[in-house]
Amino acid sequence: EPEVTQTPSHQVTQMGQEVILRCVPISNHLYFYWYRQILGQKVEFLVSFYNNEISEKSEIFDDQFSVERPDGSNFTLKIRSTKLEDSAMYFCASCPEVAGTHEQYFGPGTRLTVT
Amino acid sequence: GDSVTQMEGPVTLSEEAFLTINCTYTATGYPSLFWYVQYPGEGLQLLLKATKADDKGSNKGFEATYRKETTSFHLEKGSVQVSDSAVYFCALSETGANNLFFGTGTRLTVIP
Repeated sequence: EPEVTQTPSHQVTQMGQEVILRCVPISNHLYFYWYRQILGQKVEFLVSFYNNEISEKSEIFDDQFSVERPDGSNFTLKIRSTKLEDSAMYFCASCPEVAGTHEQYFGPGTRLTVT
Repeated sequence: GDSVTQMEGPVTLSEEAFLTINCTYTATGYPSLFWYVQYPGEGLQLLLKATKADDKGSNKGFEATYRKETTSFHLEKGSVQVSDSAVYFCALSETGANNLFFGTGTRLTVIP
């Protein structure tokens, strides 16, 4: 069964460094998402991406964040200058159509630790 | 704005016990409601969903009914198994919207 994959499973970085989190969505899906979960808190929506552009983003997704689908396969989340509060589990998801009633398919997550 | 409030965990039950995990929501429109489950080392997987009031979602012995009058979508299972040990997330999505609103997740541990 097709699945969403994410790499790495755990990333440790120093404050101020750039990180890139990678995701490979399910191949025939059209909508892509990033969510994050800070330990003990809710899973929060960051951004959605469709047709090679951001379709929606939350207040969390500020200028430090960017997303890209560089090669039609990978979907990446870049954090330019990490802060301690960026430490969280980051989940990628994809969907064949716009969400709403449709299921989103999630990857296993990347745990980001900023020291 | 939209939000989901979920029962705090962790929850520990003996095998064959009855499970309820409470979930209530706040939404501006008429959302679809979901329960996702995350088994250790895996991504979130859709467990069940309901797209309108009074709908009942069910899967793998789990059930949840969309109650508009109480804005709730409580998850139930009559007899849990050790293999049900996981983290359960309640979520909502507005019609035509492009993102999910999640609760904090409830960790369930079932002991033999």
